[in-house]
Amino acid sequence: KQEVTQIPAALSVPEGENLVLNCSFTDSAIYNLQWFRQDPGKGLTSLLLIQSSQREQTSGRLNASLDKSSGRSTLYIAASQPGDSATYLCAVTRSGGGADGLTFGKGTHLIIQP
Amino acid sequence: DGGITQSPKYLFRKEGQNVTLSCEQNLNHDAMYWYRQDPGQGLRLIYYSQIVNDFQKGDIAEGYSVSREKKESFPLTVTSAQKNPTAFYLCASSLQATQYTEAFFGQGTRLTVV
Repeated sequence: KQEVTQIPAALSVPEGENLVLNCSFTDSAIYNLQWFRQDPGKGLTSLLLIQSSQREQTSGRLNASLDKSSGRSTLYIAASQPGDSATYLCAVTRSGGGADGLTFGKGTHLIIQP
Repeated sequence: DGGITQSPKYLFRKEGQNVTLSCEQNLNHDAMYWYRQDPGQGLRLIYYSQIVNDFQKGDIAEGYSVSREKKESFPLTVTSAQKNPTAFYLCASSLQATQYTEAFFGQGTRLTVV
């Protein structure tokens, strides 16, 4: 059974720092990996989708990498801002290809101190 | 605007009652999903549907039921058989049914048993 682990569970850093969030998964036969952001009491906002054939994706100050063989992904946030404070979730496809949903990690709760 | 609409935002259920959570999307997506989120846990898949009039159980389907009579609608019923229904429920959709594509989420419904 696929398991997704996110480290650290919580992180607090001063504004302006670059930071890295980690995600690992036990079964490397994934199709896609997706990073989300969740604000308190809200739904999920998609940040980046990495297909299994890709090594990384970038959007603005965010960069996500994927190493399928080692079962790892990282989300790099450059020049952090207080508005980046949220919970960040990593999720991988439940099976090798079909649209049958995602398996999620428990998230990293990020606080950016002004 | 295109998106996923969940209603109501808050829902209270008495012991022994069935309640139905609404999920509507105007993105013309084929696949739709229901997830449950509990404090300190990752999202868990309840049910998913890849096409109208068809749906499959996810990891925690017991005590829940769904229907998919229209492409844009995927309501979730929480039955009295669900012993611990208090949670945050999230609906999602993705474009294709045959392979995984980026998932988009609604704003969630918080269900509380009173």
